[in-house]
Amino acid sequence: QVQLVESGGTLVKPGGSLRLTCAASGFTFSDYYMHWIRQAPGKGLEWVSFISGSSVHTYYADSVKGRFTISRDNAKNSLYLQMNNLRDEDTALYYCAREWSAFDIWGQGTVVTVSS
Amino acid sequence: EIVLTQSPGTLSLSPGERATLSCRASQAVNSPYFAWYQQKPGQVPRLVIYGVSSRATGIPDRFSGSGSGTDFTLTISRLEPEDFAVYFCQQYGSSPRTFGQGTKVEI
Repeated sequence: QVQLVESGGTLVKPGGSLRLTCAASGFTFSDYYMHWIRQAPGKGLEWVSFISGSSVHTYYADSVKGRFTISRDNAKNSLYLQMNNLRDEDTALYYCAREWSAFDIWGQGTVVTVSS
Repeated sequence: EIVLTQSPGTLSLSPGERATLSCRASQAVNSPYFAWYQQKPGQVPRLVIYGVSSRATGIPDRFSGSGSGTDFTLTISRLEPEDFAVYFCQQYGSSPRTFGQGTKVEI
């Protein structure tokens, strides 16, 4: 069964770092662009970053550029988001999603809380 | 960056009524890379429409999408109780991918 499972979210202090992981199963992971999307409490969806299947192409929202790094390990069917210099406004539920026909598969999300 | 603006912010309707949700882009969207998602409280967003007008797997035919260029519409022909949710539009034809701010369809 096609599935994405995020992990790694936790409470972290401003300025801290965190790495999120998205474990994929049930499909050929390397064939797909993968994305991170976040949703602050009570707010809408904010696209964060994507990476191409071969990792050649990456792109970031301006709000995270220079602080977040997306990567993937196709041998492990895993997507990552390294988040550095975290700010209060990074507090959100972080989803990973597969792009095929739009974002057709989403994980359940992992919560990142940035607070002192 | 393509900014997507959804209207109205909230749509108050009754079951059986027709819902028309709009999404306007700040510049032309690369066709046909436009989608709509449904999100219910506490749930993961669910793809409803992709490629402007194609229904995702399991989406009933009361949902339809249309539009081109900068103006897109999601129509729910006859609202069922399970359709009351927040709907987000999205363009995925250029980077950064962007979402609209959402339209809440409420009873």
